Amino acid sequence: KQEVTQIPAALSVPEGENLVLNCSFTDSAIYNLQWFRQDPGKGLTSLLLIQSSQREQTSGRLNASLDKSSGRSTLYIAASQPGDSATYLCAVSPMEYGNKLVFGAGTILRVKS
Amino acid sequence: EAGVTQFPSHSVIEKGQTVTLRCDPISGHDNLYWYRRVMGKEIKFLLHFVKESKQDESGMPNNRFLAERTGGTYSTLKVQPAELEDSGVYFCASSQVTGVYGYTFGSGTRLTVV
Repeated sequence: KQEVTQIPAALSVPEGENLVLNCSFTDSAIYNLQWFRQDPGKGLTSLLLIQSSQREQTSGRLNASLDKSSGRSTLYIAASQPGDSATYLCAVSPMEYGNKLVFGAGTILRVKS
Repeated sequence: EAGVTQFPSHSVIEKGQTVTLRCDPISGHDNLYWYRRVMGKEIKFLLHFVKESKQDESGMPNNRFLAERTGGTYSTLKVQPAELEDSGVYFCASSQVTGVYGYTFGSGTRLTVV
């Protein structure tokens, strides 16, 4: 059974810091891995999608890497800003389950100004 | 293009009542999914439609939950009768191609059963 773990559960950093969020998954047989952002009371916004054949994806100040063999992904946020404060969720699409997403519990990020 | 639309955004009902949640996917997206997050837990899969057919409903908690997708367009999720443990945020998502591309999620319906 696929399980997704995110570390840390919460993170508070001063503005301008570079930071790394971690995601691990137990079964490497996945179609893709997706990072989402959720603001309080809002839906999930897709940040980056990494296909199983890819190693990383970049969008602006965000960079996500995928090491499928070790079951790990990291989301790197450069020069953090207060507007980056949100919950960040990692989700995998396991081959075993067809097209479901299996989510981690998320990392709550607070960037202090 | 318009995103995935869900309504209501919030619903407060009493235990034993019925509630119907609605999701309008992105036009042309054959795949529609329902997920939910109960307090303190991860977001969990409920079910997956391909057009009007239920592809996978293995995540539905019990027979108090009924999902439909008439004509392969919008979907409804009915909870009847609602119980306290049904409280949470119900998300809908849609995608174009099964298993390959990412998902677009709606803003969710926050359901509170009192």
